[in-house]
Amino acid sequence: SAVISQKPSRDICQRGTSLTIQCQVDSQVTMMFWYRQQPGQSLTLIATANQGSEATYESGFVIDKFPISRPNLTFSTLTVSNMSPEDSSIYLCSVIRESNEQFFGPGTRLTVL
Amino acid sequence: QKEVEQNSGPLSVPEGAIASLNCTYSDRGSQSFFWYRQYSGKSPELIMFIYSNGDKEDGRFTAQLNKASQYVSLLIRDSQPSDSATYLCAVNDNYGQNFVFGPGTRLSVLP
Repeated sequence: SAVISQKPSRDICQRGTSLTIQCQVDSQVTMMFWYRQQPGQSLTLIATANQGSEATYESGFVIDKFPISRPNLTFSTLTVSNMSPEDSSIYLCSVIRESNEQFFGPGTRLTVL
Repeated sequence: QKEVEQNSGPLSVPEGAIASLNCTYSDRGSQSFFWYRQYSGKSPELIMFIYSNGDKEDGRFTAQLNKASQYVSLLIRDSQPSDSATYLCAVNDNYGQNFVFGPGTRLSVLP
């Protein structure tokens, strides 16, 4: 498996502000992803965090709204910018091991007022 | 568009019974199949994966794969109340970049 930590675990933010979520993995991984899970819904992939290059975003997600950094093979950040109540969700980072198994961090529960 | 479908449930079974969770997928190129368990307020936890047609058993869990029918299932024997959770099916194409998750099935095991 993989030991993945996320900070913060939860936050309550005001509309129009930004929040940066950190994801730390216990060992180097090539593939790291950011997902969103809205209440009662399944997982939606936001982007693939690429080390040394720009993140690859899925349809419906843009860099200006969700900038991502990946400075090394164990760490990534996701920023939720100019937040609105519709951004209230759980944000999860995940990694894929060489065995092709995907493991998730504990998630960040975001509430936007 | 690649799709993964599951019955949303809730699926209710009595304690000690077999719970059967089903998943179908649209992409015939899918190679790897995963089952995740997600407790309320927690992140998904990988419980089983299967790559080849047939059955794969791990304790009380059995994953079944039929690529011809594009169907994967998860059986939970001797269901316990602690198995009550949402079960997510996920498939990918073995390149590791295209995981597609189903909507999840909520299982309730009644004591």
